[in-house]
This record gives sequence, C-alpha cells and structure tokens, in this order.
Amino acid sequence: GAVVSQHPSRVICKSGTSVKIECRSLDFQATTMFWYRQFPKKSLMLMATSNEGSKATYEQGVEKDKFLINHASLTLSTLTVTSAHPEDSSFYICSASTSGGGGPNEQFFGPGTRLTVL
Amino acid sequence: QKEVEQDPGPLSVPEGAIVSLNCTYSNSAFQYFMWYRQYSRKGPELLMYTYSSGNKEDGRFTAQVDKSSKYISLFIRDSQPSDSATYLCAMSGLSGGSNYKLTFGKGTLLTVNP
Repeated sequence: GAVVSQHPSRVICKSGTSVKIECRSLDFQATTMFWYRQFPKKSLMLMATSNEGSKATYEQGVEKDKFLINHASLTLSTLTVTSAHPEDSSFYICSASTSGGGGPNEQFFGPGTRLTVL
Repeated sequence: QKEVEQDPGPLSVPEGAIVSLNCTYSNSAFQYFMWYRQYSRKGPELLMYTYSSGNKEDGRFTAQVDKSSKYISLFIRDSQPSDSATYLCAMSGLSGGSNYKLTFGKGTLLTVNP
C-alpha cells in the first residue's frame, strides 16, 4: 500500500515551453501533497505544499507563477513548469500525505520526474 | 549555518562492514528525525524515523538521536551490496497549521563492495 506514482518519469522540452508533471496516490487519499526539487548532489528542496481544494503554499524564493500547482482531487496533484528555461532542469519529486496533521512517517514519495530543458 | 548538515561522501566500504552515517542540525524545534534511502533516479523511501532523543533498531539498521548535541546517526550492520544508495537524513517539526515540513540533508552516497 501507500504507492505514489509520477508521470512522466522523464521529459525533455525546448526552452520556452510548458511542462506538466502529474503526481497520483494510487491506493490512498492524499489530503496533502508536497513538491520537491533535487539538483545533483544537493538536498531535496521543498517547493510547495498543496491541500486538496485549496491554493498551494509556496516556499520562499519559489515563483508561484512559474510553478503552477493544482491539487484538484484527493488522488491527483499536478505541477506545471511554465516557460521552462535550462536552469529549471532538475529532478522533481512529489510526496503525498494521508493527513496533514500526521507524523512524517505518513509522507510517501513518488519516483520522481527528470526534466531537461534544452 | 545550514539547518541540516550531512557529509556527502562518497563512502565506500567492504561487504559486511558496519556503516555509520551522521547529520548535525541547528534548529532546536525539530521533533521528528528520519533516514531515507534513495536509489539512483528514484524517489526516497523511508527507512527509519524517531521522535525526540533515543535509539531505534530495525533489523540491521539502528537510528540514534542526541538532541542535546543536535546530532543524529544511522548505523548499518553487516552491510550488503544492495545497501548501496544515497542516504538522506531529514527532520521536521510542526510548522504552522498542521503540515509537517521536511528539511533534508544533502545525502551521503554509500557503496558497499562485494
């Protein structure tokens, strides 16, 4: 149980285009989903937290107009990188939580999406 | 000073060795302490978590937390080649509302040689 999937696993796009990444909780309902970015040999950096049906909360320094997050249902959250640039190339990982008030053992990670912007 | 410091390694050990991985932190508000394992090009998977100070053991893995020193450790006994991965420490505390925000270390790349 507690499986989180991401699609696509890898995407290559041209500079200036937009890319959508999906995060799904397959066997549980996720009231809260988190989006992280990981650069090579760097920590996972939290980008934003989203609760189903409400606007995402972005971390300081993350542009909300560039990284659009939608958490429309209890099993799906999407991250759209708008007008992508080469510096947006990174490994994007989502995680899903069964409840926002639970301990960290309730945060389950997806397999990640590698974005390369040419 | 970064909130969580972790030596990125790489660390290379022979099969069967005891591995010691460590992190230090500066935020005394952290309550939960976790270790994640991440294989190349995959998402992290939770290995161990502890609440506050103390030890926790699970099979070949032992997690230790010393809040007075702001220092956490993960020990792997009888290491196996399949343990080769990046190990990330992470910490959290209740941060505004009810969401738990995880702060990660950089990760230590471990290779266990057969």
